Amino acid sequence: AQSVTQPDIHITVSEGASLELRCNYSYGATPYLFWYVQSPGQGLQLLLKYFSGDTLVQGIKGFEAEFKRSQSSFNLRKPSVHWSDAAEYFCAVGPPSGDMRFGAGTRLTVKP
Amino acid sequence: DADVTQTPRNRITKTGKRIMLECSQTKGHDRMYWYRQDPGLGLRLIYYSFDVKDINKGEISDGYSVSRQAQAKFSLSLESAIPNQTALYFCATSDSGLAEETQYFGPGTRLLVL
Repeated sequence: AQSVTQPDIHITVSEGASLELRCNYSYGATPYLFWYVQSPGQGLQLLLKYFSGDTLVQGIKGFEAEFKRSQSSFNLRKPSVHWSDAAEYFCAVGPPSGDMRFGAGTRLTVKP
Repeated sequence: DADVTQTPRNRITKTGKRIMLECSQTKGHDRMYWYRQDPGLGLRLIYYSFDVKDINKGEISDGYSVSRQAQAKFSLSLESAIPNQTALYFCATSDSGLAEETQYFGPGTRLLVL
């Protein structure tokens, strides 16, 4: 069965520091992978997605993620965090048409 | 205007009451989904619909029912609400015609069952 694990429940980084959020997945075939962000009181916004091809995926707001099949991982990165990046981040594994599974989320706090 | 809207945004109800959460979209997508979000559990799929005549159960459908009244409208009902259905509910849509089909989410409905 497909599943997603986000090992870090809560991460705190200083503004301007780099960020990496971890995501490990279990999926029987080539996975469809997604990162969403949820700001307080808001819905989920798509940051980026991986379907095939280049394993380094660029997204919105300066985020990127790298698909590593050998490690079953799809970690999210940003070189320099801004205070507005404080939110909850969800990794998800497809298929997007139906039984998509989400991780439990990682809450990001940004220190000034 | 938002592409995916949910009404109401907040709802308080009592155990045993029937309630309906509504979702409308202007994206022209054919597929629609209902999820619930609980702290520490992420999002879990309740029901999904590929078109008006195609309804499918998700991971946690017990205690819920849905209706796809039109391509743009997908409602979630709790026939007899119970306190453990207190959660944040999200509607999502996707377009099956896209090679990289992606789900887009509404703003959520916060439900409290007393």
